[in-house]
Amino acid sequence: TAGITQAPTSQILAAGRSMTLRCTQDMRHNAMYWYRQDLGLGLRLIHYSNTAGTTGKGEVPDGYSVSRANTDDFPLTLASAVPSQTSVYFCASSDSTGSGGYTFGSGTRLTVV
Amino acid sequence: AQSVTQPDIHITVSEGASLELRCNYSYGATPYLFWYVQSPGQGLQLLLKYFSGDTLVQGIKGFEAEFKRSQSSFNLRKPSVHWSDAAEYFCAVVGSGTYKYIFGTGTRLKVLA
Repeated sequence: TAGITQAPTSQILAAGRSMTLRCTQDMRHNAMYWYRQDLGLGLRLIHYSNTAGTTGKGEVPDGYSVSRANTDDFPLTLASAVPSQTSVYFCASSDSTGSGGYTFGSGTRLTVV
Repeated sequence: AQSVTQPDIHITVSEGASLELRCNYSYGATPYLFWYVQSPGQGLQLLLKYFSGDTLVQGIKGFEAEFKRSQSSFNLRKPSVHWSDAAEYFCAVVGSGTYKYIFGTGTRLKVLA
């Protein structure tokens, strides 16, 4: 089934450690996104990429980095995790216009302790 | 500023009753409008979308939404709710020519048996 694969499903991470959340899509979508979802705050855009080789900052980019070496993969890295980064992280993709809607992954639940 | 407002954080309805979830947006031009549903522990799934034309759009799972330009609204409706509709619902907008969504903070629906 076409879609987005995120890994891991969940993770407990010690503060100060680094971690990379993986995201792979098989729909050949140009645009990809990382969101975090927190209770009462909805979904907030962390970083995005409108095509391979380019990335941009979203609403809450601090403490996160991304890369887009190819069309399919869009990893999110936390260089030195802090407890406020405890959240559920969703990767999504869309065509270049966004008109087809987003396809979301199932999410990664991250707890920083 | 561009924004999406879902005024109801929680809504409870009885199974078989009708449902309306509210969404208001603020956007400079006519945006693309979307409704997504998120079941517990899952990613977001597209319910329906509006671009232009007929202001009443049909989606999956028996949902529909009506675009009202004069009220800047895009409310989601269902004539008869099923217990399996219990979930969180998100309204989103994206501007024509862009691809970055603005999400509302969501409405959590509870269905009473």
